[in-house]
Amino acid sequence: QKEVEQNSGPLSVPEGAIASLNCTYSDRGSQSFFWYRQYSGKSPELIMSIYSNSDKEDGRFTAQLNKASQYVSLLIRDSQPSDSATYLCALDSGYSTLTFGKGTMLLVSP
Amino acid sequence: SQTIHQWPATLVQPVGSPLSLECTVEGTSNPNLYWYRQAAGRGLQLLFYSVGIGQISSEVPQNLSASRPQDRQFILSSKKLLLSDSGFYLCAWSLATNEKLFFGSGTQLSVL
Repeated sequence: QKEVEQNSGPLSVPEGAIASLNCTYSDRGSQSFFWYRQYSGKSPELIMSIYSNSDKEDGRFTAQLNKASQYVSLLIRDSQPSDSATYLCALDSGYSTLTFGKGTMLLVSP
Repeated sequence: SQTIHQWPATLVQPVGSPLSLECTVEGTSNPNLYWYRQAAGRGLQLLFYSVGIGQISSEVPQNLSASRPQDRQFILSSKKLLLSDSGFYLCAWSLATNEKLFFGSGTQLSVL
């Protein structure tokens, strides 16, 4: 069983700060990695995908992948209260579909 | 562009009653389709997936079943609901296995 580990949080940051969310995984063979955001009572929405050892930036979001250390992270710059949500890390399982972590709750205080 | 429709948004059902949740995808052909469940405080649990019409794979033994009668239609069913079937049910699609998933809006099911 491939595992994806995330700190459940909550991670509390003040408005305007950088939020750093981390995810570790067990399978060295995973090639595709995804970050989803899920507001309470809503479905997950894709934020970013990352496939190579590098940083990938999209607006205020930066995804970082380190396959040697088996972790992937998501940085949110200039955090806003509207960023308060649960962030799910997911990766390809090499089987049927993506494997998801249980998510980290982020709270951004005004 | 592709869109996914899932209904109903909320559902309250008595124990022992049947269930039918429907999901349709527009704007793409031959998508991979998935049913997930998210119980309160827990992660996403894959229930079923389908790579084509009539092809259903089950991930977790349970009293639920799935069907794909048309290319872009995926149905989740139960003959008799249990209390433990309560949860947030999500339909999703992808263009290929192990590729990014796009989720429907979900159905909050409460079995009482």
